[in-house]
Amino acid sequence: NAGVMQNPRHLVRRRGQEARLRCSPMKGHSHVYWYRQLPEEGLKFMVYLQKENIIDESGMPKERFSAEFPKEGPSILRIQQVVRGDSAAYFCASSPGTGISGNTIYFGEGSWLTVV
Amino acid sequence: AQSVTQLGSHVSVSEGALVLLRCNYSSSVPPYLFWYVQYPNQGLQLLLKYTSAATLVKGINGFEAEFKKSETSFHLTKPSAHMSDAAEYFCAVSDKGDDKIIFGKGTRLHILP
Repeated sequence: NAGVMQNPRHLVRRRGQEARLRCSPMKGHSHVYWYRQLPEEGLKFMVYLQKENIIDESGMPKERFSAEFPKEGPSILRIQQVVRGDSAAYFCASSPGTGISGNTIYFGEGSWLTVV
Repeated sequence: AQSVTQLGSHVSVSEGALVLLRCNYSSSVPPYLFWYVQYPNQGLQLLLKYTSAATLVKGINGFEAEFKKSETSFHLTKPSAHMSDAAEYFCAVSDKGDDKIIFGKGTRLHILP
């Protein structure tokens, strides 16, 4: 997982505030994935993005959550009006963009969101 | 749609004993299969992956897994457990041509001295 940088590593927000999680993919990677990990559960796919495009957002909650991956800069996962149930570890992963076939996605070390 | 089922949320083995973590998958097309390991408060690290070459896949840290199509299984094994193997292990599946990886709920491996 070396190379995928996530920040902040830990974030505390009060209910109703906004949370922004950032992910810089590995050098040369143009595909980014966001996963959420709740206690005692596995990783749930949220969204898959390429530069300036959302490819698959089938795992994103319909409200309050959004993601972007601009032409320049990191990918951002934004959670508006956070609630306690949003408390989780959010993991970003990246890949070179040639698909899973023969390639691997590399994970960052995660951002732990706590809503108080 | 693809999915994976990991049998046993917690597995305990003695140091030096065989490690066996079970994973069964469901996929409508030939899958790619992965095992990842997660240490506390860290991200996921790839142990090994199956991409339709050899059915017995060797990974890092002495782990290996065997793809068995007839059983739709991809169990992870290691001949001799070490204390440093204590972690959570995730099995994952991806359909060929689909960049999305779907994870199981994980198995926490405990190593007994």
